[in-house]
Amino acid sequence: GPKVLQIPSHQIIDMGQMVTLNCDPVSNHLYFYWYKQILGQQMEFLVNFYNGKVMEKSKLFKDQFSVERPDGSYFTLKIQPTALEDSAVYFCASSFRDSLYEQYFGPGTRLTVL
Amino acid sequence: GEQVEQRPPHLSVREGDSAVITCTYTDPNSYYFFWYKQEPGASLQLLMKVFSSTEINEGQGFTVLLNKKDKRLSLNLTAAHPGDSAAYFCAVSNTNTGKLTFGDGTVLTVKP
Repeated sequence: GPKVLQIPSHQIIDMGQMVTLNCDPVSNHLYFYWYKQILGQQMEFLVNFYNGKVMEKSKLFKDQFSVERPDGSYFTLKIQPTALEDSAVYFCASSFRDSLYEQYFGPGTRLTVL
Repeated sequence: GEQVEQRPPHLSVREGDSAVITCTYTDPNSYYFFWYKQEPGASLQLLMKVFSSTEINEGQGFTVLLNKKDKRLSLNLTAAHPGDSAAYFCAVSNTNTGKLTFGDGTVLTVKP
């Protein structure tokens, strides 16, 4: 079936540094999402993105977070600067359209902030 | 906002037994419901999506029931086998933007 890829699978950085998480969504999908899952906790919605714009974001999507998809390439989540509480697994998802269509998830990027 | 509670957090059954996982949600305007399966180290795999107009949905080896009155969604694996061992997540959508609110997940172990 359709696959969403995420690069890298693991990332370890020092607090205060910048990190960019990359997502390669399903090719004909138009909606893109990021979710955050802290170990042992619920997966939580961060943001969704359509037509070059953020459609909705949660309170977890702090000012230090940004998303973009330049020229139809990777859909990225950038955190600058990182904080200890940003340590989590970040899942990217994409869907052909909106909530009418299922979201396909990537395998996640495990981010560790030291 | 929407809150989703999923039970139980862990479930262990014997091969051939049934396994039931339940989610309750708070927003009566929720209208799309999903069950995902996640094997260790893998992506979330969609098992079934349920629209609010349908109360019973059958898949391969499982049934999903939606009780809108009680705001309850359940996944029933009718005859579990070891390959069903995984984490299962329910998710609820009630916006046009596709935002999903997830349950905490259930780790299912099916013993031979």
